[in-house]
Amino acid sequence: GAVVSQHPSRVICKSGTSVKIECRSLDFQATTMFWYRQFPKQSLMLMATSNEGSKATYEQGVEKDKFLINHASLTLSTLTVTSAHPEDSSFYICSARGQEGYEQYFGPGTRLTVT
Amino acid sequence: GDSVTQMEGPVTLSEEAFLTINCTYTATGYPSLFWYVQYPGEGLQLLLKATKADDKGSNKGFEATYRKETTSFHLEKGSVQVSDSAVYFCALGRYGQNFVFGPGTRLSVLP
Repeated sequence: GAVVSQHPSRVICKSGTSVKIECRSLDFQATTMFWYRQFPKQSLMLMATSNEGSKATYEQGVEKDKFLINHASLTLSTLTVTSAHPEDSSFYICSARGQEGYEQYFGPGTRLTVT
Repeated sequence: GDSVTQMEGPVTLSEEAFLTINCTYTATGYPSLFWYVQYPGEGLQLLLKATKADDKGSNKGFEATYRKETTSFHLEKGSVQVSDSAVYFCALGRYGQNFVFGPGTRLSVLP
């Protein structure tokens, strides 16, 4: 089946620094990748959608200058949290969709803690 | 727009009890329906899916039937195990569009 990986699985950083999270589709070409944020005991909140080679489309209320998304190839998307603050601490999950167009495959998530 | 509603949790059951987690949706046309499971500290795993009305998805003893007439996709399992303790998300998907997730239902199974 389709496999999506994320790296790192956990990261702790100091306030004011930037953190990059990678999302890779390992055995298929992901034309579209999604980035979600999940607060404790809550559902997933879609942050942005990225298509390979295009600028990401951000959901309302998500700061595009703070959460930089790059989808430079059909197997890799990155989310960079710039100038991180403690309120950015969360569980970030990516998913990827292939050319068939509707099913999404999820990564295992990245736990970000900003101190 | 599309929306998904799930029963409020948490749901606490004893091992070997029967499980039902209700899911209803609001949508036009014929979206695909999914159940995902999230174990503590992990991402989402696809549990089962159905792509058209009256389809039954099944996996690992879990089942759900796509009921167009009641706009429902209830998740059932005849005998739960402690290892089934997790959060379950009902989701709706359409070709080329984002998923719409329900709020999730936390299940705790006690030995």
